[in-house]
Amino acid sequence: RKEVEQDPGPFNVPEGATVAFNCTYSNSASQSFFWYRQDCRKEPKLLMSVYSSGNEDGRFTAQLNRASQYISLLIRDSKLSDSATYLCVVKEYSSASKIIFGSGTRLSIRP
Amino acid sequence: NAGVTQTPKFQVLKTGQSMTLQCAQDMNHNSMYWYRQDPGMGLRLIYYSASEGTTDKGEVPNGYNVSRLNKREFSLRLESAAPSQTSVYFCASSDRDRVSNIQYFGAGTRLSVL
Repeated sequence: RKEVEQDPGPFNVPEGATVAFNCTYSNSASQSFFWYRQDCRKEPKLLMSVYSSGNEDGRFTAQLNRASQYISLLIRDSKLSDSATYLCVVKEYSSASKIIFGSGTRLSIRP
Repeated sequence: NAGVTQTPKFQVLKTGQSMTLQCAQDMNHNSMYWYRQDPGMGLRLIYYSASEGTTDKGEVPNGYNVSRLNKREFSLRLESAAPSQTSVYFCASSDRDRVSNIQYFGAGTRLSVL
């Protein structure tokens, strides 16, 4: 089983729709969680950190479920510019190197 | 606003050739990383450096060496390139804050080994 698993997609949704995807992690010692966005042939960039209480940044909402060991990303009122690959990232507290990237979920927004 | 700068952006090598990928950051970060990204596999850590003067192996270190030249620069060397090393390579840096550890990436180097 992979340490961090994501549905690769692609998710193909119309502009204005709400879309959500999950990421599961296997190590219960994981402490920090992030969503990164990666555009085609570009570098990953931080979208948002994921806090235990859940957090929202504009149209984006991230949630953490420690009991079931998954994090989620919800995008409301999707825009064409949201088309990208979304990477789930999990970090263990005790190790600077134990940062695991999921292989990403591809999202395509159609007009 | 340079952030993390990688060179070169593209490179084609023949099997057995050597090369060094350069990375520099201007954010005064302590930690620096080298990743490779292959289709369907996400980013995999090759080597990292928690601070100037230290380097440690990541998940896929075989065939690579690194040098943390100073706080700003972290280079990745392929001594004898193999076709299996065809990939996109990203350098990243982060603060030493163990909890947040937000990573900032360079634009990547696309390497083909023939």
